[in-house]
Amino acid sequence: QSVLTQPPSASGTPGQRVTISCSGSSSNIGRDTVNWYQQLPGTAPKLLIYRNNHRPSGVPDRFSGSKSGTSASLAISGLQSEDEADYYCAAWDGSLNGWVFGGGTKLTVL
Amino acid sequence: QVQLQQSGPGLVKPSQTLSLTCSISGDSISNNNAAWNWIRQSPSRGLEWLGRTYYRSKWYNDYAVSVKSRITVNPDTSKNQFSLQLSSVTPEDTAVYYCTRGASYNLDYWGQGTLVTVSS
Repeated sequence: QSVLTQPPSASGTPGQRVTISCSGSSSNIGRDTVNWYQQLPGTAPKLLIYRNNHRPSGVPDRFSGSKSGTSASLAISGLQSEDEADYYCAAWDGSLNGWVFGGGTKLTVL
Repeated sequence: QVQLQQSGPGLVKPSQTLSLTCSISGDSISNNNAAWNWIRQSPSRGLEWLGRTYYRSKWYNDYAVSVKSRITVNPDTSKNQFSLQLSSVTPEDTAVYYCTRGASYNLDYWGQGTLVTVSS
C-alpha cells in the first residue's frame, strides 16, 4: 500500500489531453513539493516534473504539473505514442522522515 | 552531468547480507546540498525509499522504519561512492535496487538499477 494514491491506469488517444492525480496528506504533499517521474519498461524512473510544476531541461512543455492542498496532478497534452509509460508521484514525508511514492499509473495511448 | 553507476551481486541467499555500491561521477559525495539515497522497486511494494546518507559538516543517515534494524548506508569519500548493506534478507527483499541523488527537493539522478534476487 503506497503512501500516495494514484489511479492504477489512464488512457487517451493521440493528441488528447490526459491528467493523472496524486493524493497525499498534510505530512507530505500538504507540506512539501511534489515530483513526477516517467518510467519506461526496463529503465530507471526519469524526473519529469519537480517542485510541483517545473520541467527539467529536455522535458517537452506538453508535460505540466500542479498542486493544491494535499493533492497534485500531472497533465499531458498532445498525447503521443511515446508517452506510453508508468508515471509516479513522489514527495518528502516529514512524519516518516523519508521519500514516499504513489503506486504508479500506467498510461496507455490507444 | 551527474552519473551514478551501480555494482554488486544479483543473487543473494536468504539470511545473508545484500551489498551494493553506487559510484558517483560529475558530483562529490560530500556536496553540502545533496543526499545519496537507496530506493527499491518490486511488484508487491512498488517504489520504496530505504535510506540515505548526506554531509552537512558531518555525516548523517536516515533510514526507513521498515528496514531500520537491517540497513546501513555508508559513504566512501576516497572513492566518491556510497554503499547499501541490508542484512538478514528474505525473498521479500527481492527487488530492483536504485541509487539516486537527492537535491533541491527532488531525486534527480538515478543509477541504472540492479535486480537482486533472494533465493537459495
